[in-house]
Amino acid sequence: QKEVEQNSGPLSVPEGAIASLNCTYSDRGSQSFFWYRQYSGKSPELIMFIYSNGDKEDGRFTAQLNKASQYVSLLIRDSQPSDSATYLCAVKNYGQNFVFGPGTRLSVLP
Amino acid sequence: DTGVSQDPRHKITKRGQNVTFRCDPISEHNRLYWYRQTLGQGPEFLTYFQNEAQLEKSRLLSDRFSAERPKGSFSTLEIQRTEQGDSAMYLCASSPDWGSDTGELFFGEGSRLTVL
Repeated sequence: QKEVEQNSGPLSVPEGAIASLNCTYSDRGSQSFFWYRQYSGKSPELIMFIYSNGDKEDGRFTAQLNKASQYVSLLIRDSQPSDSATYLCAVKNYGQNFVFGPGTRLSVLP
Repeated sequence: DTGVSQDPRHKITKRGQNVTFRCDPISEHNRLYWYRQTLGQGPEFLTYFQNEAQLEKSRLLSDRFSAERPKGSFSTLEIQRTEQGDSAMYLCASSPDWGSDTGELFFGEGSRLTVL
C-alpha cells in the first residue's frame, strides 16, 4: 500500500463547477496535510494546509480532513480554466518528512 | 530574489558520468529537502537537512547518491555513475523551522537531468 494515494485523473469539470479532489494516507501518525498545485513544467506551489479535523476555507478552496478515515480532500468552487493543473496531496509525519501522492490532473473546460 | 535557487536548470550527461546539483534555499530557512520527480508522478523524497545535519535519507536512495549541506546554507546533490533511470527533475525545497507543523515547503524551479 502506498503511503499517499490519489486518483490520477484526469478529472474534467466544466467552468464554474465544483472540482473535488481526494487523497488517502496510510500513516495514522501523520500530523499535517498539504495541497500543492503544479502547472506543467513548473514546481509545486502551496494552495492550502490543514491539520485539524473538519473544513478549512480559503477563497474558492476548501480543504477537508477526516483523520479517523485517513482522508483529506480539496474542493475548488467556481472552477476556472486557470485551475487546470496537477494537484498534489502531501502528508507530513513526525519525522518532518513530506510524502507526496502521485497527483490528480484537473482539466477545467471553458 | 529571495526564493529557492537551483543550478543548473538542465543537465544532459552520458551514462556513467557524475553530476552535481546545487541548491540555495531561502536564507532564513533551516530545513532543506531534495526530491526527485518523474513525468506523471509526485515528488519522491530523497533526503532532508536540518541546518548542516542530514536527518533522513530515503531507503530507496542508492549509494550512488550523496548530498551535503556543509555550512547549513546551500546544499549539493551528487549522483555518481549516472544511469538512464536517473533521468528526472530534481527538486530542492526549503522550509522554516518554527517548531510548528504548518511549515510549508518552498520549491525551487528544479534541475532537469537527462542521462543518455
